Amino acid sequence: QVQLQQWGAGLLKPSETLSLTCAVYGGSFSGYYWSWIRQPPGKGLEWIGEINHSGRTNYNLSLKSRVTMSLDTSKNQFSLKLTSVTAADTAVYYCARGIRGVVIIHYYYYMDVWGRGTTVTVSS
Amino acid sequence: SSELTQDPAVSVALGQTVRITCQGDSLRSYYATWYQQKPGQAPILVIYAKDNRPSGIPDRFSGSSSGNTASLTITGAQAEDEADYYCYSRDSSGDHMVFGGGTKLTVL
Repeated sequence: QVQLQQWGAGLLKPSETLSLTCAVYGGSFSGYYWSWIRQPPGKGLEWIGEINHSGRTNYNLSLKSRVTMSLDTSKNQFSLKLTSVTAADTAVYYCARGIRGVVIIHYYYYMDVWGRGTTVTVSS
Repeated sequence: SSELTQDPAVSVALGQTVRITCQGDSLRSYYATWYQQKPGQAPILVIYAKDNRPSGIPDRFSGSSSGNTASLTITGAQAEDEADYYCYSRDSSGDHMVFGGGTKLTVL
């Protein structure tokens, strides 16, 4: 059974860089889209972006200038960096495994395995 | 605002049927995925590829799609179904992913 274990600093000051890592246990790294999602307190889910096993990235346009995702296939890990954080970046950050496919003419995308979440607070 | 539109809140009497909808232009080309999230927990996948349920999801959960609207139906809602529900799919450009704003389901 695939599990994702995530970690990273939970308290940051404004202008610092958020750095989170997610390790994949019990499954293959290839063939999937490794994603990051966040949820500000009391608000909905926000897709941050994804990286596939080849290292191709796709970021939320609203965060693209500050986001970098990378992967380490030798360790089955992928990472998120978000620069110049502000209080608006305070959220629970989740990593997840993404799958995509097609049924006749319709494409589908879903994330089936999620990490437990890391609470990141930005405060001076 | 999200490119996928959900009603903020819906209520259902215990044992009755409820439909939660998600609207967006991208849904004409891409299937919606549905997640259930309870307070303090990570989201759980309940429906993918329009109407597929992962192992362990009760069969009272079903999905459908028509035009620009995807629906999650709970037939015979239980108290434990009270949660936030989010749809997820491609955005209107087709290049990025997006969540709906979420629907808070209350089981009365």
